[in-house]
Amino acid sequence: ELKVEQNPLFLSMQEGKNYTIYCNYSTTSDRLYWYRQDPGKSLESLFVLLSNGAVKQEGRLMASLDTKARLSTLHITAAVHDLSATYFCAVDKDDKIIFGKGTRLHILP
Amino acid sequence: ETGVTQTPRHLVMGMTNKKSLKCEQHLGHNAMYWYKQSAKKPLELMFVYSLEERVENNSVPSRFSPECPNSSHLFLHLHTLQPEDSALYLCASSKRHVTTNTGELFFGEGSRLTVL
Repeated sequence: ELKVEQNPLFLSMQEGKNYTIYCNYSTTSDRLYWYRQDPGKSLESLFVLLSNGAVKQEGRLMASLDTKARLSTLHITAAVHDLSATYFCAVDKDDKIIFGKGTRLHILP
Repeated sequence: ETGVTQTPRHLVMGMTNKKSLKCEQHLGHNAMYWYKQSAKKPLELMFVYSLEERVENNSVPSRFSPECPNSSHLFLHLHTLQPEDSALYLCASSKRHVTTNTGELFFGEGSRLTVL
C-alpha cells in the first residue's frame, strides 16, 4: 500500500525566511505533484514532477524530486504572507493519486 | 463553461435520506476521482474511474455508491449516511494513459456535506 508522509505538518515562520517541506513516499513512482489549498477553497496545482532529478520553480517556490530516495522537497525562499496556505504532495501509482496529510504554512508579517 | 463543476456546493441531510453529488468536467479528461476531506483524515481517495473502468477502494462503505455514465460526468450516491460522513467531498479529473500528458488532477470546488 502506498503511503505518503509530509513533514512538518504545521509550520509557522516569519516573512523573509527560507524553509523546506519534505514529502516521503513508500513505493516506487515517477510522478509527484504539489498542490496548494487556501482555507475554504479547493486544491490548486503548483508543480508536476515527472522524473528523477526534476526541479521546478515558480516565484518563491521550488520543488524537486529524488525517485531513488523516494523524496520530494518544496523549498520556500524569502517567504511572504501571501504564501500562507496548506501544501499537499501527492504520489501517482497505478491510476491512484495518494495525498500526504498536508503542511499548514502560516507566515507571520 | 470550463473546468470541473460540482453540485450542490452545500448539502444537509438526515441519516435516512438518499441524495446524490454531481460532478461534471469540461476539460476532455478521461479519468475522474472522488476524494473525501475531513479534519481527521485529509484527502482520502474514495473512487477512481479511469478510461471508464472503476478502480475500487475497498475501505469505502457501501453507503457510498459511485456512478460514471460517461467520461464527463461522475456521481456519488449517498444513502443511510452517518454523522461521521460529514466532510468536504472533492471531485477531480485528469488525462491519463497518454504519454505526453502529466496526469495531474484538476479539482472542483467541492460539496460540503453535513449529516444530521
